Amino acid sequence: DVKVTQSSRYLVKRTGEKVFLECVQDMDHENMFWYRQDPGLGLRLIYFSYDVKMKEKGDIPEGYSVSREKKERFSLILESASTNQTSMYLCASSPPVLTAGELFFGEGSRLTVL
Amino acid sequence: GNSVTQMEGPVTLSEEAFLTINCTYTATGYPSLFWYVQYPGEGLQLLLKATKADDKGSNKGFEATYRKETTSFHLEKGSVQVSDSAVYFCALRRGGADGLTFGKGTHLIIQP
Repeated sequence: DVKVTQSSRYLVKRTGEKVFLECVQDMDHENMFWYRQDPGLGLRLIYFSYDVKMKEKGDIPEGYSVSREKKERFSLILESASTNQTSMYLCASSPPVLTAGELFFGEGSRLTVL
Repeated sequence: GNSVTQMEGPVTLSEEAFLTINCTYTATGYPSLFWYVQYPGEGLQLLLKATKADDKGSNKGFEATYRKETTSFHLEKGSVQVSDSAVYFCALRRGGADGLTFGKGTHLIIQP
């Protein structure tokens, strides 16, 4: 089975702190994604990556950056956390397919910024 | 651009009732369509999918048919159980490296 592992299920940080959310997948997938999930807004794409060291902005990249130094690992970085970044963050991966296949999701990281 | 619209709920049903959750989409070309489910405290799991018009996806008693003429992918189940209580997301994917475009989710509550 595909496994996508997010390093922290729950985090509490203070405003202005730098926050790292780590995601690792074990299926050699080329594509990796970071979404945030908020009540009433559903899931919104922050960034995605289709290869090592490659990244593309999603729908809401402001306030975030990402790093993909190794194929299996995709990190989301909040350079200076703010209270409006309190949310559930979901990482996902998928293989490169010509037809649009499904994404495989991790368990999520719930971040609270005080 | 791409978009997905689904009823937001909460939808409250009694056990063994018939379930329909409506989903319509806007996209160019021929996207693949998905239903994901999120149980409390967990990530998203793929429930079913369909990759072309008239395909029917099915899993765990749930079904959805890809209707290109009505741009819809409604989720149905004939007899729901308490364990089906969850949030259900309809989504589409155009292909390539792009991710999924999600609806806002429908919170389903099944009462015994």
